[in-house]
Amino acid sequence: GQQVMQIPQYQHVQEGEDFTTYCNSSTTLSNIQWYKQRPGGHPVFLIQLVKSGEVKKQKRLTFQFGEAKKNSSLHITATQTTDVGTYFCARSGGGADGLTFGKGTHLIIQP
Amino acid sequence: NAGVMQNPRHLVRRRGQEARLRCSPMKGHSHVYWYRQLPEEGLKFMVYLQKENIIDESGMPKERFSAEFPKEGPSILRIQQVVRGDSAAYFCASSPPNGRDEQYFGPGTRLTVT
Repeated sequence: GQQVMQIPQYQHVQEGEDFTTYCNSSTTLSNIQWYKQRPGGHPVFLIQLVKSGEVKKQKRLTFQFGEAKKNSSLHITATQTTDVGTYFCARSGGGADGLTFGKGTHLIIQP
Repeated sequence: NAGVMQNPRHLVRRRGQEARLRCSPMKGHSHVYWYRQLPEEGLKFMVYLQKENIIDESGMPKERFSAEFPKEGPSILRIQQVVRGDSAAYFCASSPPNGRDEQYFGPGTRLTVT
């Protein structure tokens, strides 16, 4: 399958600081999805981006899809302890019918 | 409206035994996906099924692993003669039949092979 690369793997922030994770592909993506997984939990769908240059917001979360549809980012403003978890990007249509996930960015928040 | 259900939540098997993992999709969903997650790793696609049909099993190991989604009852992921390397979290996801891509995940089955 065609991979998606996520950076950073781990991010430590102080509560109240911002957080950004990046997702990159060497090939053009038809769409990109973002999921959040709490420690010990299961992935929860956050959003899907489809259009070039698309920007979507969910409260303190801002999702962007690059103009070339090869990269995406998730930005969290003023992190809270409830934001702790691993954030995954995932692509569909990469050769298999299932989703191809990045390895995730683990967000660790220090109070 | 119940979400995706998986059981058991935790399963311990000795090497050589069989593991059976069950998944009931969300009501109204007809597409089921199985993923495997190793510690500190992302999820790896294994198989995609619709009722009575395996649509894509490109992510399934060639041996010992099988999956089904019968007309009645849950989807089953079966692992025969388990080995220590099979220890992982196995997640099932379902999606609606309307062409939307987002998937809804169950709580997972944590398989430990001793």
